[in-house]
Amino acid sequence: KQEVTQIPAALSVPEGENLVLNCSFTDSAIYNLQWFRQDPGKGLTSLLLIQSSQREQTSGRLNASLDKSSGRSTLYIAASQPGDSATYLCAVIKVGTGTASKLTFGTGTRLQVTL
Amino acid sequence: GAVVSQHPSWVICKSGTSVKIECRSLDFQATTMFWYRQFPKQSLMLMATSNEGSKATYEQGVEKDKFLINHASLTLSTLTVTSAHPEDSSFYICSARDLAGVRNEQFFGPGTRLTVL
Repeated sequence: KQEVTQIPAALSVPEGENLVLNCSFTDSAIYNLQWFRQDPGKGLTSLLLIQSSQREQTSGRLNASLDKSSGRSTLYIAASQPGDSATYLCAVIKVGTGTASKLTFGTGTRLQVTL
Repeated sequence: GAVVSQHPSWVICKSGTSVKIECRSLDFQATTMFWYRQFPKQSLMLMATSNEGSKATYEQGVEKDKFLINHASLTLSTLTVTSAHPEDSSFYICSARDLAGVRNEQFFGPGTRLTVL
């Protein structure tokens, strides 16, 4: 059974700092990995999707890397801003799930960026 | 970008009543939609996979007679919580997979907050 863990569970940083969020998964047979952002009381916003054949994806100040063999992904946020405060979730889709495409979510990292 | 909407965004109901939540993919077609529930400060828990034109597939421990799912078209899935009780109070989120997409990317709705009194 796939298990996805995120470390740290919570993080508080001052504005302007660069930071790294970690995601690890136990079964490396994944189809892709997605990083999401969730604001309190809201749905999920997709940030980045990395296909299993890719090593990283970038969007603006965000960079996500994937090391399938070691079962790890990192989300790098450059020059953090108070607006980045949210819960960040990673999720994987297992190979072979076909149209089911069930996501297995990590435990989440609650990020707070202070002024 | 792909947009998924949910209606209502929040609902308060009395114990014993049924509540219907709609999930729509606004600018793409989705043969598969997913329903999740989320308790405070916890991650999302998959309840069921909704397949257009066929029966939903429920995760272990989820009562199919209590959480009725209908996926009548390529852009609409509904979740009906029947005879709701206070323990059903939760945040319900749907997601949809873009039929035309090759990356198996899922797009999520804004969620529905259900409070059962």
